[in-house]
Amino acid sequence: IAGITQAPTSQILAAGRRMTLRCTQDMRHNAMYWYRQDLGLGLRLIHYSNTAGTTGKGEVPDGYSVSRANTDDFPLTLASAVPSQTSVYFCASSDSSRGGHTEAFFGQGTRLTVV
Amino acid sequence: AQKVTQAQTEISVVEKEDVTLDCVYETRDTTYYLFWYKQPPSGELVFLIRRNSFDEQNEISGRYSWNFQKSTSSFNFTITASQVVDSAVYFCALKLGSSNTGKLIFGQGTTLQVKP
Repeated sequence: IAGITQAPTSQILAAGRRMTLRCTQDMRHNAMYWYRQDLGLGLRLIHYSNTAGTTGKGEVPDGYSVSRANTDDFPLTLASAVPSQTSVYFCASSDSSRGGHTEAFFGQGTRLTVV
Repeated sequence: AQKVTQAQTEISVVEKEDVTLDCVYETRDTTYYLFWYKQPPSGELVFLIRRNSFDEQNEISGRYSWNFQKSTSSFNFTITASQVVDSAVYFCALKLGSSNTGKLIFGQGTTLQVKP
């Protein structure tokens, strides 16, 4: 089934550890995004990538980095996790190849707890 | 400033009642897009509708309907004859036409509980 796959589904991480959240899409969408979901705040954009090889900062980028080596993969790295990064992380993609962006398609989310 | 406000944090209704979820947005862009997503208890985000700023026609899809009013910057969502399966968190989101990406600005979400 086409879509977005995130891994892991959930993780408990010790503060100070490095962690990479994986995201793979098979829809050949050019744009990809990472959001975090926190109660009462909705979803907030961390980083995005319009095309392979380019990335940009979203609303809450501090403490996170991304890379986009190819169209399908968009990993999110926490260099040194802190408890405030406890959240549910969603990867998403959209297609702008025909002018304008389609709606975003989301992965199933990664629940991360930093202790 | 760009912003989406969903003032209703939680709504509880009894099955078969109609319910309206409010969404108010702020933007200076003349071209923009509005979305509604559903997040059921299983956690995934499900796309419901996309509306562009030039199309103020209301839309109906089964029990779902959307009322877009530019005059009040609102894009409200109504569920008619609600069912237990409608229980979820619903998010309204905004995409700016001036943005070169598809990034979305989300509201805080409204948790809808439909009781049998």
